[in-house]
Amino acid sequence: EIVMTQSPATLSVSPGERATLSCRASQSVSSKLAWYQQKPGQAPRLLIYGASTRATGIPARFSGSGSGTEFTLTISSLQSEDFAVYYCQHYNNWPPLTFGGGTKVEIK
Amino acid sequence: EVQLLESGGGLEQPGGSLRLSCAASGFTFSDYGMSWVRQVPGKGLEWVSSIRGSGGRTNHADSVKGRFTISRDDSQNTLYLQMNSLRAEDTAVYYCARNSWFGEFFDYWGQGTLVTVTS
Repeated sequence: EIVMTQSPATLSVSPGERATLSCRASQSVSSKLAWYQQKPGQAPRLLIYGASTRATGIPARFSGSGSGTEFTLTISSLQSEDFAVYYCQHYNNWPPLTFGGGTKVEIK
Repeated sequence: EVQLLESGGGLEQPGGSLRLSCAASGFTFSDYGMSWVRQVPGKGLEWVSSIRGSGGRTNHADSVKGRFTISRDDSQNTLYLQMNSLRAEDTAVYYCARNSWFGEFFDYWGQGTLVTVTS
């Protein structure tokens, strides 16, 4: 099983600042990595797939990078609606599909 | 517009059974793989089961293997999760999700249905 580890668990950021979230895989997942955003009481929403491709309708301030075992989600200038929990998920060499534990982005 | 609407959650005793349903609309259901993902309230996401398009291969997480069965009825545009031998640790919100064309990640999600297993 591929273990996905996200850091930090909580990130405190001021509106307008940049946020950088990390996701590490226990073995290579190539570029088969997705990112999701989840707000309280809502289902997750797909942000990024293929490590760096934005999903339909996702603003350009969201960007993904990395390959192999190290990945980053960057939010270039945080808006009020971006404060949420973010999860990474691999889809290489499955089952199982596994998610990271999440990073909560909160207002500083 | 893609819509996924789960139903069937509720309160059940340990050892009991529930069947979750997910009614899909807004896309050609048979063309897509589908999955169930669960989330203990306040915790992270856990993949449960997936099924390929047109009733193809199924996969289940080890935590539910032998107890849960994913299936689909393409004529009814509906996904199912039969949950048997329920345990307290199965308590979670269960989301139905559509698998992307580009890989086993999830491009659309339902709103979720809560399953509570308690005596």
